[in-house]
Amino acid sequence: GESVGLHLPTLSVQEGDNSIINCAYSNSASDYFIWYKQESGKGPQFIIDIRSNMDKRQGQRVTVLLNKTVKHLSLQIAATQPGDSAVYFCAEGGAGTASKLTFGTGTRLQVTL
Amino acid sequence: DSGVTQTPKHLITATGQRVTLRCSPRSGDLSVYWYQQSLDQGLQFLIQYYNGEERAKGNILERFSAQQFPDLHSELNLSSLELGDSALYFCASSPRQGSSEAFFGQGTRLTVV
Repeated sequence: GESVGLHLPTLSVQEGDNSIINCAYSNSASDYFIWYKQESGKGPQFIIDIRSNMDKRQGQRVTVLLNKTVKHLSLQIAATQPGDSAVYFCAEGGAGTASKLTFGTGTRLQVTL
Repeated sequence: DSGVTQTPKHLITATGQRVTLRCSPRSGDLSVYWYQQSLDQGLQFLIQYYNGEERAKGNILERFSAQQFPDLHSELNLSSLELGDSALYFCASSPRQGSSEAFFGQGTRLTVV
């Protein structure tokens, strides 16, 4: 199966370079934010999350930065690899009993050799 | 493999028909979410169940309904299908109501002809 055919913004990065994918969120009351990676024909795959009381969180080769002042979230991928090629979505969620996620429109990352 | 299982993977049906999509959450997860991913609207939240009870509703049409059974699997029923219902339907599960870590299945691709 193919990925969704949205007219997504595309980021082209050379293999080995760092990638920065940005996201603007809408709800200042959101309690947490998540980055998902979606490869063609697959479901969204959890990458990393960050709580609203943090401004930075690091994982393996990935870092998420949260700027609540301007409601901006970014995902940094170090030493980008061909396997990182996918559509990346940010999602925001609220606290409490109902934790639906609101997804952004996504960014397509293309890694060139 | 996220541990969330969706069946069938592909479904082709005619307008006016009714279909049922099935989701088995990860072992131990009590929350199930349904999302629709269409060509022009990205990932849209439909509905959430927690331990058998509906917890949150999103942009779910009245022609659509869902339920979560005692064994925690969930079904999404789509009736009076229209061409515009063609999309990928994803199920996600998480351990708790307010969990930020939702794991997605591989999706069901529905094509209405």
